[in-house]
Amino acid sequence: GAVVSQHPSWVICKSGTSVKIECRSLDFQATTMFWYRQFPKQSLMLMATSNEGSKATYEQGVEKDKFLINHASLTLSTLTVTSAHPEDSSFYICSARETRQGGTDTQYFGPGTRLTVL
Amino acid sequence: DAKTTQPPSMDCAEGRAANLPCNHSTISGNEYVYWYRQIHSQGPQYIIHGLKNNETNEMASLIITEDRKSSTLILPHATLRDTAVYYCIVRGNTGNQFYFGTGTSLTVIP
Repeated sequence: GAVVSQHPSWVICKSGTSVKIECRSLDFQATTMFWYRQFPKQSLMLMATSNEGSKATYEQGVEKDKFLINHASLTLSTLTVTSAHPEDSSFYICSARETRQGGTDTQYFGPGTRLTVL
Repeated sequence: DAKTTQPPSMDCAEGRAANLPCNHSTISGNEYVYWYRQIHSQGPQYIIHGLKNNETNEMASLIITEDRKSSTLILPHATLRDTAVYYCIVRGNTGNQFYFGTGTSLTVIP
């Protein structure tokens, strides 16, 4: 299947600082990427949909000014957690949508980024 | 998008077939059934998806009932590495987002 990478795989930062997470589709182009967050023992929660060349669409309750998303190319989307606080500590996962011939598509997920805010 | 219902947990003996059910009674005609799994502390892994016909690939088989209100993911010969949380997701072909439910935690027992 298609490969999606994330960088970094883990990051520890001080409260009040900003952290950028990169998501790349390695062997396909993705006009649409997605960002999820997962707290311990919980399911994945969709945060936002990232469209190449346009503004991201955020799910209800997700602060767009705190979680900045940029999708500048067909293979790269970035999530910046601004002014991070301990409650932002979580597992952040991206996915990229691969469109196939015949009209169906699927999402391939990155390995995730573990963010710990001290 | 239609909601799905899965049992919270299941056990399966190593080497036996694992049959994971999913109920999606409100599915509409253009919605696909997708299956993913997540091994601890990793991103979800795509397994298989289908519309109304049964599907098979190198990982699993997907059996969708004729009325499409439920489906079963079959891992034909479960191994210890198949221990994971399995998610059944229903999504329209023209839609974008996947909304994850709580999934089924499958434990393969030696």
